[in-house]
Amino acid sequence: TQLLEQSPQFLSIQEGENLTVYCNSSSVFSSLQWYRQEPGEGPVLLVTVVTGGEVKKLKRLTFQFGDARKDSSLHITAAQPGDTGLYLCAGPSDSNYQLIWGAGTKLIIKP
Amino acid sequence: EAGVAQSPRYKIIEKRQSVAFWCNPISGHATLYWYQQILGQGPKLLIQFQNNGVVDDSQLPKDRFSAERLKGVDSTLKIQPAKLEDSAVYLCASSLANRGGRPPLHFGNGTRLTVT
Repeated sequence: TQLLEQSPQFLSIQEGENLTVYCNSSSVFSSLQWYRQEPGEGPVLLVTVVTGGEVKKLKRLTFQFGDARKDSSLHITAAQPGDTGLYLCAGPSDSNYQLIWGAGTKLIIKP
Repeated sequence: EAGVAQSPRYKIIEKRQSVAFWCNPISGHATLYWYQQILGQGPKLLIQFQNNGVVDDSQLPKDRFSAERLKGVDSTLKIQPAKLEDSAVYLCASSLANRGGRPPLHFGNGTRLTVT
């Protein structure tokens, strides 16, 4: 069974600090997607990583896919209150067309 | 493009009552998903449609939940009778035809259901 574990579950930091959250699995994924979900809204896709070792940047957000395609990280530089939300990773199942979801990291950035 | 539309935004019902949620996906999106998200957790897939056919409903509690997408466009999800543990946000998402789980999902803002 493919699982995605996200850590930490919860993170609260001050504005301007840097942070990294993780999405780990013992299984290989062909790709991983990162979503951000703000309170009262649905998840919104931030990025898809496909190639092992790939690094993608989205302004102050840096996403990395592990060389073995079993894990991914999201690093935020100089966090801002607008970065507050639930960060979810998801990857396609090997056996069907479903997306497997992590439980998310709830991030709060305090002004 | 217009996003995924869902209604209602909020619903409060008593246990054993019935409730229905409506979703209109992005135009041209063949695949439609209903997810259940309990507070602080990731989404759990309830049912996936490809056009008007069911692709996966393995996690749908079929004794109380039903869903349809009769014309391959909009969809309804019904719960009858509701239980306390059904309190959650019900998210609808759509995507282009799903081949291998690659296309990104576009989510609506969800319906927050509270069962008392």
